[in-house]
Amino acid sequence: EAQVTQNPRYLITVTGKKLTVTCSQNMNHEYMSWYRQDPGLGLRQIYYSMNVEVTDKGDVPEGYKVSRKEKRNFPLILESPSPNQTSLYFCASSKRQGAVNIQYFGAGTRLSVL
Amino acid sequence: GESVGLHLPTLSVQEGDNSIINCAYSNSASDYFIWYKQESGKGPQFIIDIRSNMDKRQGQRVTVLLNKTVKHLSLQIAATQPGDSAVYFCAEKEMGGGFKTIFGAGTRLFVKA
Repeated sequence: EAQVTQNPRYLITVTGKKLTVTCSQNMNHEYMSWYRQDPGLGLRQIYYSMNVEVTDKGDVPEGYKVSRKEKRNFPLILESPSPNQTSLYFCASSKRQGAVNIQYFGAGTRLSVL
Repeated sequence: GESVGLHLPTLSVQEGDNSIINCAYSNSASDYFIWYKQESGKGPQFIIDIRSNMDKRQGQRVTVLLNKTVKHLSLQIAATQPGDSAVYFCAEKEMGGGFKTIFGAGTRLFVKA
């Protein structure tokens, strides 16, 4: 089954404790992206990757890191989480097909930073 | 289920009626638009897309209308069903703008049985 898998689904942590949210896709997609979703603000892009070893900042990259060492994986790293990073996070992937960009999303990771 | 937005515009319709969800987009250079549906506790799911060289595109029970003059997009759902209850997002993209996609804040659709 074609899917984007995020882990964990729920995470409670404390300020300053490094964490990683994993994302894996099995569709051989070139593009991958991380979004955060906050009430009333829709989805805001954190980082994206257009291929292996190619990453770039989105609209809200501060406090986050990513890596793309393999095509299927795109982990999101919070080196020193803060309470303002409490949010619902989504990973997405899409195939490179010209201008069309239909993204496939994971089920989400709800993060609470205390 | 998880709440994806506590302060979203809300549309409430009777089962069997048609629904129209509206979206105003911001970038006049955007030329590719997508509608996503997000059910409670799940990630967004693609519904339909449209390029700026079209005014209308139809799918199964859904129609997207694009008015570039006023930068307005709408999603019409025919014969709305309880399973259509969700948050709906429009998204815009510049075809020459790489991967960057801008999402709207969303509209919550309630379907009354």
